[in-house]
Amino acid sequence: QQQVKQSPQSLIVQKGGISIINCAYENTAFDYFPWYQQFPGKGPALLIAIRPDVSEKKEGRFTISFNKSAKQFSLHIMDSQPGDSATYFCAASIGSGSARQLTFGSGTQLTVLP
Amino acid sequence: ETGVTQSPTHLIKTRGQQVTLRCSSQSGHNTVSWYQQALGQGPQFIFQYYREEENGRGNFPPRFSGLQFPNYSSELNVNALELDDSALYLCASSLYHGGETQYFGPGTRLLVL
Repeated sequence: QQQVKQSPQSLIVQKGGISIINCAYENTAFDYFPWYQQFPGKGPALLIAIRPDVSEKKEGRFTISFNKSAKQFSLHIMDSQPGDSATYFCAASIGSGSARQLTFGSGTQLTVLP
Repeated sequence: ETGVTQSPTHLIKTRGQQVTLRCSSQSGHNTVSWYQQALGQGPQFIFQYYREEENGRGNFPPRFSGLQFPNYSSELNVNALELDDSALYLCASSLYHGGETQYFGPGTRLLVL
């Protein structure tokens, strides 16, 4: 019940295209859903995050869409650039006034072709 | 404001040995979490430290242990190393109360031969 399932495993997009990565979760107690970007040899860096009381959040070219009833959320990268080529992880956490532990998806390796 | 730092960057050990990894949290953060990231997988939660005590643990055996110091820095210790312990070990810092976001360090790459 703690799992977060992520798809696709890999994604190849042309420069300027839209990259879409999907995640699904089971535990309805999750209340915070971040996306992390990881480059080779680096630690994950927070990209954008959303709470389940919001259906969409946009920051620059990055948008999270959240469907609470379906227990699914997705990351959309508009106008994808070669510099966006990295591994993307969705995650979820539970927190009730205390510190949180993140449950990660398995990752999506994004390649943006020039 | 300094970010999360980890040392060493790389480490090679042999099976059965013990290893200590270190983490300095981001300035102002009082909670440290440790994650193990095997090659090609997402990070897996090991445990979390707050006020120098373990505050939550994932599905890892007792040979994985940790410490947190008064300055909020932390250590991860792994005893009796196994080949499957080869991974990137990530440290993340956050605020205990109201801190949703965890900020990750660059990780320590451990290879067990």
